[in-house]
Amino acid sequence: QKEVEQDPGPLSVPEGAIVSLNCTYSNSAFQYFMWYRQYSRKGPELLMYTYSSGNKEDGRFTAQVDKSSKYISLFIRDSQPSDSATYLCATISSGSARQLTFGSGTQLTVLP
Amino acid sequence: GAGVSQSPRYKVAKRGQDVALRCDPISGHVSLFWYQQALGQGPEFLTYFQNEAQLDKSGLPSDRFFAERPEGSVSTLKIQRTQQEDSAVYLCASSLARLAVYNEQFFGPGTRLTVL
Repeated sequence: QKEVEQDPGPLSVPEGAIVSLNCTYSNSAFQYFMWYRQYSRKGPELLMYTYSSGNKEDGRFTAQVDKSSKYISLFIRDSQPSDSATYLCATISSGSARQLTFGSGTQLTVLP
Repeated sequence: GAGVSQSPRYKVAKRGQDVALRCDPISGHVSLFWYQQALGQGPEFLTYFQNEAQLDKSGLPSDRFFAERPEGSVSTLKIQRTQQEDSAVYLCASSLARLAVYNEQFFGPGTRLTVL
């Protein structure tokens, strides 16, 4: 079993829809939780990160972490065609070399 | 300010050839990571440097993989006797190394290696 499991997609939604992307993780030592966005043939770029449980909002994006169920979510409101990309959840253990452990990614297409 | 750069962007190698992939981190970033991303998968950790010291190489898949960062800035990932299963995108990331604070890792565009 991988340490971070992500809904594989692909996911296709109409412009303006609310998108929900989800991951689960197995290691309770994980403290930081990130969402990266990766456009085709580009490197991942950080969208948001949260520490421990709770919600964090940044514009149209909301990240949610539930440590009791080891569940990570990213919500995108009023989705735009420019949001079309692969979204990767990731965690980082405070006791490690601080390498990132990624999910497999969900490919999102927002149709105009 | 320049971000992380990697070269070459694309590399085609015949099976058995040696390849060298270069990473230029953001100036002043102490930490440098290499990741391997197979098609349709998330990046997987290969190795980590703090300055010139390689502190973790637990993700390197075999002894054909070797990484160095001799002066604590530019890093090279070398793959000897390439195999088809080495085909992937190799990503480099760098970050500041402030202790007890989350350090964002900034990724380069990657080198896409295809082994024929």
